[in-house]
Amino acid sequence: KAGVTQTPRYLIKTRGQQVTLSCSPISGHRSVSWYQQTPGQGLQFLFEYFSETQRNKGNFPGRFSGRQFSNSRSEMNVSTLELGDSALYLCASSWTNTQETQYFGPGTRLLVL
Amino acid sequence: AQSVTQPDIHITVSEGASLELRCNYSYGATPYLFWYVQSPGQGLQLLLKYFSGDTLVQGIKGFEAEFKRSQSSFNLRKPSVHWSDAAEYFCAVGASSGGGADGLTFGKGTHLIIQP
Repeated sequence: KAGVTQTPRYLIKTRGQQVTLSCSPISGHRSVSWYQQTPGQGLQFLFEYFSETQRNKGNFPGRFSGRQFSNSRSEMNVSTLELGDSALYLCASSWTNTQETQYFGPGTRLLVL
Repeated sequence: AQSVTQPDIHITVSEGASLELRCNYSYGATPYLFWYVQSPGQGLQLLLKYFSGDTLVQGIKGFEAEFKRSQSSFNLRKPSVHWSDAAEYFCAVGASSGGGADGLTFGKGTHLIIQP
């Protein structure tokens, strides 16, 4: 069974631009969560989607948004990029909710210049 | 608010020696506890998890962890480390309430270095 896939793996953007990252969960998984990983703040929860609905969101500004499609694939978008948005963005999927075992993708490394 | 503390930023262990990585959590109810490992350039891989029941849980790659409610700890152990165990280790806590869409709260991680 294929694991969680994330595209692109690496991305370079400039301040003020926007970016969209994609996550394809493990087949059959309906919950997708997003995390931001930085050296200073560590791993921080962004948001979680289940059946196309955002069920919870972490403490991030409104520039960070996401959505989930009917096939459970998810995208996250960051508008008006700032230097501090440079991070590894990890996606995780599970069957129904985050208390279950989450399977993480390899992440998208975003560099904002 | 829930929190996780991993007191050791770096740990150096000789190959073949035993290992213990510390994790302390703060959570108001019964927590769901996890240990993940991250190799350079990789995502997170689940080593083991504790939801309820036996407080000593076995995981993959020869790792185990013990949940101690009285100490709010969930320390990770391995009797004999291998050079391939060198990686970043993260402890995490999740809400135990139903309908949970809450994300996991992670510790800052412990970087494990293996000496030959």
